[in-house]
Amino acid sequence: GQQLNQSPQSMFIQEGEDVSMNCTSSSIFNTWLWYKQDPGEGPVLLIALYKAGELTSNGRLTAQFGITRKDSFLNISASIPSDVGIYFCAGQRASGSRLTFGEGTQLTVNP
Amino acid sequence: GAVVSQHPSWVICKSGTSVKIECRSLDFQATTMFWYRQFPKQSLMLMATSNEGSKATYEQGVEKDKFLINHASLTLSTLTVTSAHPEDSSFYICSASGDYYEQYFGPGTRLTVT
Repeated sequence: GQQLNQSPQSMFIQEGEDVSMNCTSSSIFNTWLWYKQDPGEGPVLLIALYKAGELTSNGRLTAQFGITRKDSFLNISASIPSDVGIYFCAGQRASGSRLTFGEGTQLTVNP
Repeated sequence: GAVVSQHPSWVICKSGTSVKIECRSLDFQATTMFWYRQFPKQSLMLMATSNEGSKATYEQGVEKDKFLINHASLTLSTLTVTSAHPEDSSFYICSASGDYYEQYFGPGTRLTVT
């Protein structure tokens, strides 16, 4: 099925560095979501964005809903080893409807 | 926060047998549940969407007679993999959606068919 374009595919950073990843789509979504998945577990919701232009923070995480409604980015500041995992963006067109996922960004944090 | 559980967390079965996976929303009513499968190093691929009391809607290419989905109540959906084959080995994840936009995911079920 359709997937969002998520980049980068993988990142290798040093502890303490900031991280940025983004998702783009050819079509509009009314909700953007960011999830983190640890190995062997289900995705965990990090941030949900509901309005174009919205900037939302959750601790060291900040995400924005693009003004065109076709993109979103996620920033992680001052990375720590437990940030390691796969980060997925997801777009949703209507409440309760299916999610369209990005391909994921594998983040590795070197202590 | 909303909690979704899955059972079992892992299962090994022999080729040709059937396996049932349960997905429960523990602290909210899930009007819609979704079933995904995920292969190693890949993203989640939606298999089907189920609404309580209705037949599931399957994605293109997903065999509805092989992957039986039942959403009998607002807190429980089941996925039965019938006549399992080794190529059905995968990580199966459910998610549940209630009155809000967010979907909450279960911890996943690792299926290995020998």
